[in-house]
Amino acid sequence: SQQGEEDPQALSIQEGENATMNCSYKTSINNLQWYRQNSGRGLVHLILIRSNEREKHSGRLRVTLDTSKKSSSLLITASRAADTASYFCATSWFQKLVFGTGTRLLVSP
Amino acid sequence: EAQVTQNPRYLITVTGKKLTVTCSQNMNHEYMSWYRQDPGLGLRQIYYSMNVEVTDKGDVPEGYKVSRKEKRNFPLILESPSPNQTSLYFCASSPGLMNTEAFFGQGTRLTVV
Repeated sequence: SQQGEEDPQALSIQEGENATMNCSYKTSINNLQWYRQNSGRGLVHLILIRSNEREKHSGRLRVTLDTSKKSSSLLITASRAADTASYFCATSWFQKLVFGTGTRLLVSP
Repeated sequence: EAQVTQNPRYLITVTGKKLTVTCSQNMNHEYMSWYRQDPGLGLRQIYYSMNVEVTDKGDVPEGYKVSRKEKRNFPLILESPSPNQTSLYFCASSPGLMNTEAFFGQGTRLTVV
């Protein structure tokens, strides 16, 4: 399978803490993307990092990419209860977008 | 408003009864795809289309058909649904695949009994 894997599968933190999720993948990529899904609803795009980039920021999100290790991490700083969701990484290689299995994040007030 | 619209949102059907899940996007995107989401398995691609009349199999195409007669529409057809096709289905579109984000519909929860 070409699927990536997120780690951890589940993460529970308090509001204000930082949350870090990791993604490992198996194939070459054009880019890697992170998506958020709220409880069975559609996925929402968060951030895209190209294969020649190492780090990218967007608001409270920080993404890193290490193509030599085929891994990426998503850091959410100063988390809020509204960040509670599942987070998926997705690797893009030409016509294929392959999703990982996701990390469930619970942020408690 | 830019969006991907799927219908129906919920569907319960019986084994063997043909059904179609519709997907429409209003962003003039060339690339469209269908995914199914199952617990513990994440999202798996069923079929994708790179433009009108151009479709190809994804990772789990068995038991599904698609068509792309117009740029905006990409229906998913289950000719003879079976219980193992009970799942949450998502349609997505994007301008292309190189360095672009995908826009997802709200999902169709299908139960086959």
